[in-house]
Amino acid sequence: DAGVTQSPTHLIKTRGQQVTLRCSPKSGHDTVSWYQQALGQGPQFIFQYYEEEERQRGNFPDRFSGHQFPNYSSELNVNALLLGDSALYLCASSLGWGGAGEAFFGQGTRLTVV
Amino acid sequence: AQSVTQLDSQVPVFEEAPVELRCNYSSSVSVYLFWYVQYPNQGLQLLLKYLSGSTLVESINGFEAEFNKSQTSFHLRKPSVHISDTAEYFCAVSERGAQKLVFGQGTRLTINP
Repeated sequence: DAGVTQSPTHLIKTRGQQVTLRCSPKSGHDTVSWYQQALGQGPQFIFQYYEEEERQRGNFPDRFSGHQFPNYSSELNVNALLLGDSALYLCASSLGWGGAGEAFFGQGTRLTVV
Repeated sequence: AQSVTQLDSQVPVFEEAPVELRCNYSSSVSVYLFWYVQYPNQGLQLLLKYLSGSTLVESINGFEAEFNKSQTSFHLRKPSVHISDTAEYFCAVSERGAQKLVFGQGTRLTINP
């Protein structure tokens, strides 16, 4: 049983560019959350998708957007990249909405903005 | 809103010694509490969680944590650590019904032989 898979694993982008990160949830999971983990910090919640809709959003600007597809996979898009967007981006999947379902994390995408 | 404070950024201990990683949280509503572990260059793995019931929760690899509502704490303990426990440990809280995790800054546990 594959766990949460994220692609790519590493990415280097130039300031001002746009980037798309991808996540496939653990089999059977229907809820996907995205987190940003800056170096030496704890993960920060970006947003969460359930039934193809954004259900919760953290304190991130509109440059951060997402999408969930009918097969529950998800994309995170970041426009107009800033140097400060350099971080490990983690995707987590869980089952259901509003419960205490355990969140399973992927290995992350390391984004470097130069 | 919730917040989590991990009181120690780094904790060095000797192998087979006991360890305690401290976590305090703040919330105006009932919460679930979690400890996650992150090994180098990897994602997060759930170590243990408190949802309700017994305030002492245990993991399969010897860690335990106790929920103390009056002190708003959820400290993680292990009576005897191994080299393989070297990792970053994150305490997290979520509002019941919300599933959004709020993490602390992390504690780097270093085990010396």
